[in-house]
Amino acid sequence: GAGVSQSPSNKVTEKGKDVELRCDPISGHTALYWYRQSLGQGLEFLIYFQGNSAPDKSGLPSDRFSAERTGGSVSTLTIQRTQQEDSAVYLCASSTGGLAGNTIYFGEGSWLTVV
Amino acid sequence: AQSVAQPEDQVNVAEGNPLTVKCTYSVSGNPYLFWYVQYPNRGLQFLLKYITGDNLVKGSYGFEAEFNKSQTSFHLKKPSALVSDSALYFCAVRDRTGNQFYFGTGTSLTVIP
Repeated sequence: GAGVSQSPSNKVTEKGKDVELRCDPISGHTALYWYRQSLGQGLEFLIYFQGNSAPDKSGLPSDRFSAERTGGSVSTLTIQRTQQEDSAVYLCASSTGGLAGNTIYFGEGSWLTVV
Repeated sequence: AQSVAQPEDQVNVAEGNPLTVKCTYSVSGNPYLFWYVQYPNRGLQFLLKYITGDNLVKGSYGFEAEFNKSQTSFHLKKPSALVSDSALYFCAVRDRTGNQFYFGTGTSLTVIP
């Protein structure tokens, strides 16, 4: 696609429910990132996928968070048993990967509110 | 460890005046440096990046940034601010051996009419 696409754009869920956030990267981009941005905060790295390599999960805040990337393209971030502190904007980004000075391009974000 | 610092949470500037948004970094070796802008309720948009070569980098919307290796800085500048430049600005750094991007905490720029 022309840009990184994320869905849903907004999600309100009850505490304790599971949520899935989807990211469709730019066509041909092999690297995919998930970040979290809490209100008034900077970007918190969550997870990074590069091609068929094992993902870098070092930023996931707890075992309630997981992500997968199917077929090297679409990625799903899953949050189980949501808590109010999970309320944030979840940003997905993609890039061409590799070791050059590649730019990462962001989607519009999925705004999650846990009530 | 790689890190980025944006020492100012908030910058206010009058319309038509030059603006500067500061960024310093810490990374092993030579860095790749980036600036992104975030308008309200939107994702981040790429503005410009420094890879190598000329220390002065020009980007979108009239913005430019100067890489200063001795001061480990990459300040964002614009000669004449517009009200529409009001947004949140993020500096990011990536080292040349990995793929992780490290973002600063952001600087909120307000251009006063």
